[in-house]
Amino acid sequence: EPEVTQTPSHQVTQMGQEVILRCVPISNHLYFYWYRQILGQKVEFLVSFYNNEISEKSEIFDDQFSVERPDGSNFTLKIRSTKLEDSAMYFCASSSRGIGAQGYTFGSGTRLTVV
Amino acid sequence: GDSVTQMEGPVTLSEEAFLTINCTYTATGYPSLFWYVQYPGEGLQLLLKATKADDKGSNKGFEATYRKETTSFHLEKGSVQVSDSAVYFCALSDHSGNTPLVFGKGTRLSVIA
Repeated sequence: EPEVTQTPSHQVTQMGQEVILRCVPISNHLYFYWYRQILGQKVEFLVSFYNNEISEKSEIFDDQFSVERPDGSNFTLKIRSTKLEDSAMYFCASSSRGIGAQGYTFGSGTRLTVV
Repeated sequence: GDSVTQMEGPVTLSEEAFLTINCTYTATGYPSLFWYVQYPGEGLQLLLKATKADDKGSNKGFEATYRKETTSFHLEKGSVQVSDSAVYFCALSDHSGNTPLVFGKGTRLSVIA
């Protein structure tokens, strides 16, 4: 069964450093998403991406965040200058249809720890 | 805004016990409701869903009924197995399918033999 692959599974970084979280969506999917879950809290929507541009973003997704689909297969989330409060599990998802939940496939997540 | 509240975990049950994980929601309009499951080391997987009032979603022995009058979507299973140990997330989305998922905090279930 097709799956969404995320790398790395765990990333430790120093505060102020830039990190890039990588995702390989399902090959025929057109819509891509990032969600995150701070430990003990809710899974929160960050951003959706379609046709090489952001289609929707939450208020969490501020100027320190960016997304990119650099080569037609990878979908990356960049955090420019990490803060302690960015420590969380980050989930990538893709779907063949629109922003709704029908047909979402999630990756297994990247646990980001900022020290 | 829309929100989902689910029971705090962790929940520990013996094999073959009855499971209920409570979920209530707040939403404008008529959302679609979902249960996702995350097994250790894996991604979030859709377990079941319901798109309108009184619908019952079911999969792998799990069931949940969309109760508009109580704004609830409680997850139930009659006889849990060790392999059901996972984190369970209740979620909603706008009925049109045009809004991102809104999740609850998740409930960790541990089933012991």
